[in-house]
Amino acid sequence: GDSVTQMEGPVTLSEEAFLTINCTYTATGYPSLFWYVQYPGEGLQLLLKATKADDKGSNKGFEATYRKETTSFHLEKGSVQVSDSAVYFCARGLMYSGGGADGLTFGKGTHLIIQP
Amino acid sequence: DSGVTQTPKHLITATGQRVTLRCSPRSGDLSVYWYQQSLDQGLQFLIQYYNGEERAKGNILERFSAQQFPDLHSELNLSSLELGDSALYFCASSVDSFGTDTQYFGPGTRLTVL
Repeated sequence: GDSVTQMEGPVTLSEEAFLTINCTYTATGYPSLFWYVQYPGEGLQLLLKATKADDKGSNKGFEATYRKETTSFHLEKGSVQVSDSAVYFCARGLMYSGGGADGLTFGKGTHLIIQP
Repeated sequence: DSGVTQTPKHLITATGQRVTLRCSPRSGDLSVYWYQQSLDQGLQFLIQYYNGEERAKGNILERFSAQQFPDLHSELNLSSLELGDSALYFCASSVDSFGTDTQYFGPGTRLTVL
């Protein structure tokens, strides 16, 4: 069935390292793609989103490009900080041709640990 | 702060009991979504309401039900609770009901069933 797949980690990096978290999706409708971040003890916060193919979402140094040909939405950051340590979720939202929508489908989450 | 509020923050109860979780959406948002987060199942969509009407259903058990009131706040009712219902329950809201909408999440209610 429709799903979102992401690397689960934990991913451990040193401060200032380059980050990539892979995310791929399957969908039969017109998906929008999201990255959410969850800090310990908190709810999910939207990090960035893209609503159509080739769109690039960006926020706080993070970027992700909606690649329809590879059904991917990989998250990247050029230089991570200790404060980026959190769990990152890739998610897909669908809107059907009839105008209806559904809840978000989430990946399992990637636990990112940044060491000083 | 997302502007979405959830009460209570923590809830501890026994098997077989019934609980109600409450959510107030951001000002101006018409859609409310409920999600369950557990270690084994991850984050799963339960149900969506839009302006008082049920709009979409996900993996919601028959023992669970929800409603959205005229003031747009929503309640999730969980009955005949089982140990496996222990989880974090998140509410989210969005302006409309399109898949492209950003959903804003509340801080969650942690339910522990003993």
